[in-house]
Amino acid sequence: QVQLQESGPGLVKPSETLSLTCIVSGGSISSNYWSWIRQPPGKGLEWIGYIYYSGSTNYNPSLQSRVTISVDRSNNQVSLKLTSVTAADTAVYHCARVDSSGWGYFQYWGQGTLVTVSS
Amino acid sequence: DIQMTQSPSSLSASVGDRVTLSCRASQSISNYLNWYQQKPGKAPNLLIYAASSLQSGVPSRFSGSGSGTDFTLTISSLQPEDFATYYCQQSYSTPYTFGQGTELEIK
Repeated sequence: QVQLQESGPGLVKPSETLSLTCIVSGGSISSNYWSWIRQPPGKGLEWIGYIYYSGSTNYNPSLQSRVTISVDRSNNQVSLKLTSVTAADTAVYHCARVDSSGWGYFQYWGQGTLVTVSS
Repeated sequence: DIQMTQSPSSLSASVGDRVTLSCRASQSISNYLNWYQQKPGKAPNLLIYAASSLQSGVPSRFSGSGSGTDFTLTISSLQPEDFATYYCQQSYSTPYTFGQGTELEIK
């Protein structure tokens, strides 16, 4: 069974960079797409972007200028960086594996990690 | 971006009820529509993909239908564990987008 675990600082100061890591276990990073999705407290879900194991990426245009998703195949990890954060970036951040058959659904999710942007 | 609109925003129902949740896309998305259930403090859980395909391990009381712009999620007989928030998601084109959710509450 594929399991995903997010980790990173729970508190980030405004204007700084949010950095999170997702460790994938029970399966390989290879031949899959990996996404980051966030959810502000009490609100809905927002897709941030995805990365293919080869390194190709697709980002939400609303965040594209500030976001970088990368993959470390040797350590079975996917990472997220979001620059110049503001209070609006406060959210639970989930990593998820995207279905590999082309239907684009999120098959496996990490439990999520809350990141608060505050000075 | 494709906008996804769910209705109702909240719904009160009783155990044993049959309920139908709706999701509408701002343009045709064929059957690239997925449904998730989310309980407080937990990650969303995939229920239905490709509009009507039941994810492995999901009870058969859940079913999905629709194509184009209008979709429904039906729970044939509500169980206590089904009270949660339900989200639809389009995967027809990026950026992938979600509906705002339907909160299913106990009457």
